[in-house]
Amino acid sequence: AQSVAQPEDQVNVAEGNPLTVKCTYSVSGNPYLFWYVQYPNRGLQFLLKYITGDNLVKGSYGFEAEFNKSQTSFHLKKPSALVSDSALYFCAVRPFTGGGNKLTFGTGTQLKVEL
Amino acid sequence: NAGVTQTPKFRVLKTGQSMTLLCAQDMNHEYMYWYRQDPGMGLRLIHYSVGEGTTAKGEVPDGYNVSRLKKQNFLLGLESAAPSQTSVYFCASQFREIQETQYFGPGTRLLVL
Repeated sequence: AQSVAQPEDQVNVAEGNPLTVKCTYSVSGNPYLFWYVQYPNRGLQFLLKYITGDNLVKGSYGFEAEFNKSQTSFHLKKPSALVSDSALYFCAVRPFTGGGNKLTFGTGTQLKVEL
Repeated sequence: NAGVTQTPKFRVLKTGQSMTLLCAQDMNHEYMYWYRQDPGMGLRLIHYSVGEGTTAKGEVPDGYNVSRLKKQNFLLGLESAAPSQTSVYFCASQFREIQETQYFGPGTRLLVL
């Protein structure tokens, strides 16, 4: 069975500084990996995904994520944080084969960007 | 193109009451999902459907039933609500190819007293 770990419940960053939200995963075989963002009282919005190819994936709002197969990680990054980036971020995984089309989510990381 | 919509947005139930949550999508997606979100637990899959007339159990199906009579709609039913079902419920849909992205509705907040 697949699983996702987001080791930090909350990440605090000053505006203008780089941010990293960590994610590690466990699947049998190769993974599809996703990042979603949730603003207060809203649904999840898709940010980016890794399917195959380049390990550095670029997504919406200036976010990017780096797939590292040896470390089974898919950390979310942004070079310069904005206050408006403050939200709840979810990492999710789906195996290449097997597991149907079911996504398994991490428990989420609350990002707080302060002036 | 409204995407994924959910009805109602908020509901208060008494223990033992029943209700149905409606999810509708206008993207012609084959697959649809119901999740619940609880603090510190992320999203957990309740039931899902891979096409009209089909449903399957997810991670936490007990106490819920679903139906997919039309491709664009996916209903989640609570026959006898319990306080443990107080949660925020999200519907999602996607095309059937495994690399496709799931798109989420705005959520239904349910309080069971």
